[in-house]
Amino acid sequence: KNQVEQSPQSLIILEGKNCTLQCNYTVSPFSNLRWYKQDTGRGPVSLTIMTFSENTKSNGRYTATLDADTKQSSLHITASQLSDSASYICVVSAGRGSTLGRLYFGRGTQLTVWP
Amino acid sequence: DAGVTQSPTHLIKTRGQHVTLRCSPISGHKSVSWYQQVLGQGPQFIFQYYEKEERGRGNFPDRFSARQFPNYSSELNVNALLLGDSALYLCASSSSGISEAFFGQGTRLTVV
Repeated sequence: KNQVEQSPQSLIILEGKNCTLQCNYTVSPFSNLRWYKQDTGRGPVSLTIMTFSENTKSNGRYTATLDADTKQSSLHITASQLSDSASYICVVSAGRGSTLGRLYFGRGTQLTVWP
Repeated sequence: DAGVTQSPTHLIKTRGQHVTLRCSPISGHKSVSWYQQVLGQGPQFIFQYYEKEERGRGNFPDRFSARQFPNYSSELNVNALLLGDSALYLCASSSSGISEAFFGQGTRLTVV
């Protein structure tokens, strides 16, 4: 069964601190893995997208890693800001070549940054 | 350049009514997907359309239907609304199904 599991479910950190969010998946065939940030009541916004051959990708203070062997990914946020408070969703796309991919979503990690 | 646009942004309906949600993809994108997101959970896949054909359907009842028009915009229709249909409905567009998906702001549907 294709699944995406995220941990922790929620996280509270102080402004300026770092944090790491985890994602485990069982989606097959794997196409790519994406991390999205979603503010409450808004659509998700893409942070990173990684294919099978990529181990790490950065986007400003966000760094995502991917271990395709263990089917694990992490999102590291450096020097957190109040505006980082949001839900972070791990999304895995299934499909190969020209096959249309279907997206499998985790439930998200709700991050709250306190001043 | 406009992103994915969805309309309306908010909607209140009563049980038993039907609703039509609309999505305009990014210019040049031919794939549109619909998702339902219940509060506190991740989005659940409803439909995927590519080049005006249905290419995927999630585990939703037949009350849910969709279509894609020649200009690649899309509509999601839900009949006989239930209280449990209350959710944020998201539309995502991509140039193909495996490329990066861009999401609209969503339509917040409340069924009372």
